[in-house]
Amino acid sequence: DQQVKQNSPSLSVQEGRISILNCDYTNSMFDYFLWYKKYPAEGPTFLISISSIKDKNEDGRFTVFLNKSAKHLSLHIVPSQPGDSAVYFCAASALDRGSTLGRLYFGRGTQLTVWP
Amino acid sequence: GAGVSQSPRYKVAKRGQDVALRCDPISGHVSLFWYQQALGQGPEFLTYFQNEAQLDKSGLPSDRFFAERPEGSVSTLKIQRTQQEDSAVYLCASSARTGGYEQYFGPGTRLTVT
Repeated sequence: DQQVKQNSPSLSVQEGRISILNCDYTNSMFDYFLWYKKYPAEGPTFLISISSIKDKNEDGRFTVFLNKSAKHLSLHIVPSQPGDSAVYFCAASALDRGSTLGRLYFGRGTQLTVWP
Repeated sequence: GAGVSQSPRYKVAKRGQDVALRCDPISGHVSLFWYQQALGQGPEFLTYFQNEAQLDKSGLPSDRFFAERPEGSVSTLKIQRTQQEDSAVYLCASSARTGGYEQYFGPGTRLTVT
């Protein structure tokens, strides 16, 4: 069963506007969340992360918001640029829990297209 | 700086052949993970090493899959008697820490079984 869900397979945004990518999770043991960006024929590249003790983390144009009660997180990209066009994966982990030992659980990804 | 490297980048195997996929993690990273990514899906966990110890192999889909990291650095994922359903991209990731913190991925090996 998919413990991390990205329900939008694609998103199209005009350059300069905000991109909002959404992610939901079902496992309440998850306490660390990450976003990765992936270009074709490359491995995923780490973007930004957030611990469950926070509700927001910002790094330049990228901000991740976490709503623990709703088991929902989102990635905001402002302003969006054509170079941001890629597949974005949401991932979650249960830090240092013996049963999972650090594995990441990924969603299926959202293809973001930023057009000029 | 050197990131995670994987070789080969592409591998075509005939059904029934054995394959070996190599991963060179970032120097000094204690944690090493293997993931399998099928087309249109996110990466799925296969196995985890902390230094040379394989602490979790619960994601390996069958006993045809075997991984090792004998000296705590380079790792090899071996698939015996390949099947068509093994066709996927195999990703290696390393991390400086234990636990579910940031992992840094290699470019992957695309395996096609014909």
